[in-house]
Amino acid sequence: AQSVTQLDSQVPVFEEAPVELRCNYSSSVSVYLFWYVQYPNQGLQLLLKYLSGSTLVKGINGFEAEFNKSQTSFHLRKPSVHISDTAEYFCAVSDPNYGGATNKLIFGTGTLLAVQP
Amino acid sequence: DAMVIQNPRYQVTQFGKPVTLSCSQTLNHNVMYWYQQKSSQAPKLLFHYYDKDFNNEADTPDNFQSRRPNTSFCFLDIRSPGLGDAAMYLCATSRGGNYEQYFGPGTRLTVT
Repeated sequence: AQSVTQLDSQVPVFEEAPVELRCNYSSSVSVYLFWYVQYPNQGLQLLLKYLSGSTLVKGINGFEAEFNKSQTSFHLRKPSVHISDTAEYFCAVSDPNYGGATNKLIFGTGTLLAVQP
Repeated sequence: DAMVIQNPRYQVTQFGKPVTLSCSQTLNHNVMYWYQQKSSQAPKLLFHYYDKDFNNEADTPDNFQSRRPNTSFCFLDIRSPGLGDAAMYLCATSRGGNYEQYFGPGTRLTVT
């Protein structure tokens, strides 16, 4: 079974500063990895995903993440944040062997990124 | 714009009174998922449909059921809501074989 740990429940940061949101996962098999963002009163939006290939993945809104298999991590980074990046960020994993063509996502508990002016 | 729509956005029901949450999509995706997200917790998959095939998670309570009358619509029925069922319910869709899921805005359920 897979699990996801997001150790930081909240990350305060000043505008234009860099940020890293941490995600560690546990799995006995290879997994796919995702970061989703949830703005207030909105659904989850996919930021980026790692399925295979290059371990550095670039996503929308200037975010990127690096897959580190040896450390079982998939940390999310942005070099310079904006006020509009304030939101909840969820890391998720899926088992490529689950249910054939369907995809069960297992989420972490989320990290609130609070960007201050 | 193609999207996933959930109605209502906020639902209040009484303890034990059946309630139905609705999800519709204009993406023409063949997979639809229902997740439950309790306060300060991770979203948790309840069940999903692949076309008309229903797939229930092993730990989903019998109190939760779902219907998918056509490709566009999927319903979540809670037969006898308890106080512990208060949560945000998220609907998502994906094209079979594509691992990206598209989420609706969620329905926040309150049980009084």
